[in-house]
Order: sequence, then structure tokens, then C-alpha cells
Amino acid sequence: RKEVEQDPGPFNVPEGATVAFNCTYSNSASQSFFWYRQDCRKEPKLLMSVYSSGNEDGRFTAQLNRASQYISLLIRDSKLSDSATYLCVVNKGAREKLVFGTGTRLLVSP
Amino acid sequence: GAVVSQHPSWVICKSGTSVKIECRSLDFQATTMFWYRQFPKQSLMLMATSNEGSKATYEQGVEKDKFLINHASLTLSTLTVTSAHPEDSSFYICSARHATSTDTQYFGPGTRLTVL
Repeated sequence: RKEVEQDPGPFNVPEGATVAFNCTYSNSASQSFFWYRQDCRKEPKLLMSVYSSGNEDGRFTAQLNRASQYISLLIRDSKLSDSATYLCVVNKGAREKLVFGTGTRLLVSP
Repeated sequence: GAVVSQHPSWVICKSGTSVKIECRSLDFQATTMFWYRQFPKQSLMLMATSNEGSKATYEQGVEKDKFLINHASLTLSTLTVTSAHPEDSSFYICSARHATSTDTQYFGPGTRLTVL
């Protein structure tokens, strides 16, 4: 079983739609959680950290369910520029290595 | 935010040659740098963790004699792919962690290696 699992997609949605991605992780000792965004042939860029209480940044909302070892990302009012691959990332603690999921591809169409 | 550069951004080489990729933290000191590899439609896979002034720690399955890592200063780490073969063609990405940071890694723009 992979340490971090994501649905690869692609998710095809129209502009303005709301879309949600899920991610599960296998290591219950994981302590830090992140969503990264990666555009084609580019490096990943941190989108947001995920906190136990859930957190929101503009149109993006991330949630963590430690009991189910599950992380989610919700994107509201999708824009064409949101088209990218979204990577779920976890690590076991401070100064530990990051473990990346394979990513979920999002395509937002006009 | 912090800036990490990589050089070259892309390289094409013949099979059997060696290729060196540089990773620099431009505006901060990085005691730890990470080297990742990403094949098409796959996720980033950590190859090795490089600590300034000490030997790199390689992940399982990564040949340390083939992928030579040097981290001689707090702002520079290099990855040398020795005797490159077509199966080494990939997107190589480095990241750097600030000396005082616990989690945040700053990624370089990546180097696309094509071995003919």
C-alpha cells in the first residue's frame, strides 16, 4: 500500500464549479500535512498546510481527519488558472522527509 | 518567499556520459537539501537527503555510486548522474530547507534530463 494515495483523475469541471479532492495516508504517525500544486513541467509549489481544525485560504479549504487518516481539499468557484495537478504531502514530524502522493489532475474548462 | 535555483534547466546528453546538476539557495542558508526525481505521470520520489558537510543519505533503491551528491556549502548542493543511461531520463528537482525551519522546503525549478 502506498504511503499517500490520491485519485489521479483527471477531474474535468466547468469554470465556477466546486470540486473536492481526497487523500488518504497510511502512517498514523504522520504529523504534518500539505497540499502542493504542480503545473506541467514545473516544480511543486506549496498551496497550503493542513491543520487539524481545518483551514481556509480564499477559495481553498483544507481539512484533516486524523481518525480516518484522510485529508481533503475543496476548491470553490474554479478558475481556468486552477488547472494543475494537486499533490497531497505528509511527513512524520519536524525535519522528517516529505512523502508525496501521485497527485490529482484538475482541468477547468470555459 | 525563499528562492532556490537549479542549473541547468534542461540537458541532453549521450549515454555513458556524466551530468552535473546544481542546486542553490539564493537568499537563505540551507543545512539540508533534498533531491527528487519525477518520471512522467508519477509523483516526486525522494532520492537522497543532503546535509551540509556530511555524506548524503540515500533512499532505498537509489545507487549512491551512480548518483553522487555533494553539499559543500550552506547554499550549494550538486547531483552528478554518472554514466547516464536512457532510463535515467527524468525531471530532477531539488529542495532546500532553511537552517531554522522544521517543515518548509523550497523547491527549485527542476532540471529535465534526456539521455540519448
